[in-house]
Amino acid sequence: AQTVTQSQPEMSVQEAETVTLSCTYDTSESNYYLFWYKQPPSRQMILVIRQEAYKQQNATENRFSVNFQKAAKSFSLKISDSQLGDTAMYFCAFMKNSGNTPLVFGKGTRLSVIA
Amino acid sequence: SQTIHQWPATLVQPVGSPLSLECTVEGTSNPNLYWYRQAAGRGLQLLFYSVGIGQISSEVPQNLSASRPQDRQFILSSKKLLLSDSGFYLCAWNSQGPHGYTFGSGTRLTVV
Repeated sequence: AQTVTQSQPEMSVQEAETVTLSCTYDTSESNYYLFWYKQPPSRQMILVIRQEAYKQQNATENRFSVNFQKAAKSFSLKISDSQLGDTAMYFCAFMKNSGNTPLVFGKGTRLSVIA
Repeated sequence: SQTIHQWPATLVQPVGSPLSLECTVEGTSNPNLYWYRQAAGRGLQLLFYSVGIGQISSEVPQNLSASRPQDRQFILSSKKLLLSDSGFYLCAWNSQGPHGYTFGSGTRLTVV
């Protein structure tokens, strides 16, 4: 079974600074998808970024980018120019490419952006 | 465009009472549907998922059940709530295949 580990329960960053959230996963699959979701205080889950394992290029969405290291099974999220609105829980998630299988989530990292 | 509706937003129920949470998706057909529970603002626990009408997979044995009476409707139920059923319940959907989820806005359930 796949597992996703987020080793940082809580982090903080100064406004306008850069922060990196860690995620590692364990799988025997060769083709899969990885996601980062954001859950602000409203508790609405929002998709931040998505990475296909067969793509070597790291995904980027505006201030959000990932460092995908397939051999190391690592998928970290970098937030540049942090804003107060980035304060949220961040969840890393894994999905197999075979069939309709559910996402497997990590336990989350609570990020606080400090003014 | 596709939208997902989940209700109610909040619910306070006594121990031993029944439960029915509803989730519907619009603007798509044959979606995969999911129920997750989140306790104490931490991780998401998958409860049930469905890849088609009448097809329900249960991930955690407990006093909850799920049904999918229509293609775009997913219902979470309980005959008798326990205190431990308190939490934040999220419904989600995705298209067939390896696609990320779109989540509903959640239901905060407090069992008293």
